[in-house]
Amino acid sequence: AQKITQTQPGMFVQEKEAVTLDCTYDTSDPSYGLFWYKQPSSGEMIFLIYQGSYDQQNATEGRYSLNFQKARKSANLVISASQLGDSAMYFCAMREGAGGYQKVTFGTGTKLQVIP
Amino acid sequence: DGGITQSPKYLFRKEGQNVTLSCEQNLNHDAMYWYRQDPGQGLRLIYYSQIVNDFQKGDIAEGYSVSREKKESFPLTVTSAQKNPTAFYLCASSIYINSYEQYFGPGTRLTVT
Repeated sequence: AQKITQTQPGMFVQEKEAVTLDCTYDTSDPSYGLFWYKQPSSGEMIFLIYQGSYDQQNATEGRYSLNFQKARKSANLVISASQLGDSAMYFCAMREGAGGYQKVTFGTGTKLQVIP
Repeated sequence: DGGITQSPKYLFRKEGQNVTLSCEQNLNHDAMYWYRQDPGQGLRLIYYSQIVNDFQKGDIAEGYSVSREKKESFPLTVTSAQKNPTAFYLCASSIYINSYEQYFGPGTRLTVT
């Protein structure tokens, strides 16, 4: 089974609208963390947001929020008030375990295009 | 400015040649990582280093080698044994090996013909 599944290869959103990028995960480890990264066309991966498995509240960072539904094993990224600069690839990732190196698995990404 | 540098941005090599990709960080991070990205795929871990003079294989280490002689530097050598070396290579670092946030460099796109 895939550890991280991103079912939307591509998405369009109108500028200033909100958009949700889907991510589901699979792990039996009780200690894990979920990330979202943005990759513009330049190639660099930019860290956006992190949610730990024991965190009670959904993580938020500015216009980014992570909709964490533990029972459903989903960790969707919500971008509010989309901007043209949000056009990029978005990757969901998960780290598993605690202490020492924690394996990180990346999804295949969603390409978001913001339309003026 | 603190950050991670990878050079060059684009690299071209003939099949059968070894090639070394550089990665330098001035963030004073202990841990460093090398990832490979292929079109339509997420990142896959090649090697990681927890501390100077230590490194461990990741999921796809075959055909690659690394060294970590200095805290700031973690070069990756793509050897002729790597069957499909053409890819986008990303270097990253984190404060410690168990820190969740990794900082990435701009990447090197390697093309082998």
